Amino acid sequence: NAGVTQTPKFQVLKTGQSMTLQCAQDMNHNSMYWYRQDPGMGLRLIYYSASEGTTDKGEVPNGYNVSRLNKREFSLRLESAAPSQTSVYFCASSVMGTDQPQHFGDGTRLSIL
Amino acid sequence: QKEVEQNSGPLSVPEGAIASLNCTYSDRVSQSFFWYRQYSGKSPELIMSIYSNGDKEDGRFTAQLNKASQYVSLLIRDSQPSDSATYLCAVNLSGGSYIPTFGRGTSLIVHP
Repeated sequence: NAGVTQTPKFQVLKTGQSMTLQCAQDMNHNSMYWYRQDPGMGLRLIYYSASEGTTDKGEVPNGYNVSRLNKREFSLRLESAAPSQTSVYFCASSVMGTDQPQHFGDGTRLSIL
Repeated sequence: QKEVEQNSGPLSVPEGAIASLNCTYSDRVSQSFFWYRQYSGKSPELIMSIYSNGDKEDGRFTAQLNKASQYVSLLIRDSQPSDSATYLCAVNLSGGSYIPTFGRGTSLIVHP
């Protein structure tokens, strides 16, 4: 049982390059989330998908797009990477519409030069 | 404007002591509260959830919730060096979205 799997684990990009971060969960969760974590800033929500077929903006959506490919998979795309997007990105999943906690992937460490 | 507040620390305690971590939140209607532990370079992992006023104990961990005063705390008894980590408080604020708001975390250092 893998839980939440993120790929890649590390990536270095040049400014202006594009990239898609992949996330898949095998817990049959309805809801999935993308966060970024910067030093001193805590976890900030980029986008979320409450259920398959829906996506919504979070606190810091600018510069990102998402796709909920199916119930298991939720991808995050950077169309034109900027140095300000250097961060650690976490994908999480949870049961929809309940007070249950989130389960996190191991993260993707992204550096943009 | 962050609606879940934590002291960033670091909080330094000696091995064997009780570590007390605190979190305050702005939304009086909040119903669900979570504590996550995050080791350096790792992802957050859930250690406690609490939904009603009072104390909830799980091994060396006790979560305390006071909705009237709008705070939730985490006590770690018999602290060990392996408890050294950042502890994130998360609150499901009202509005029905069930998306938690995270505090910025408190760094805990347990020294031998």
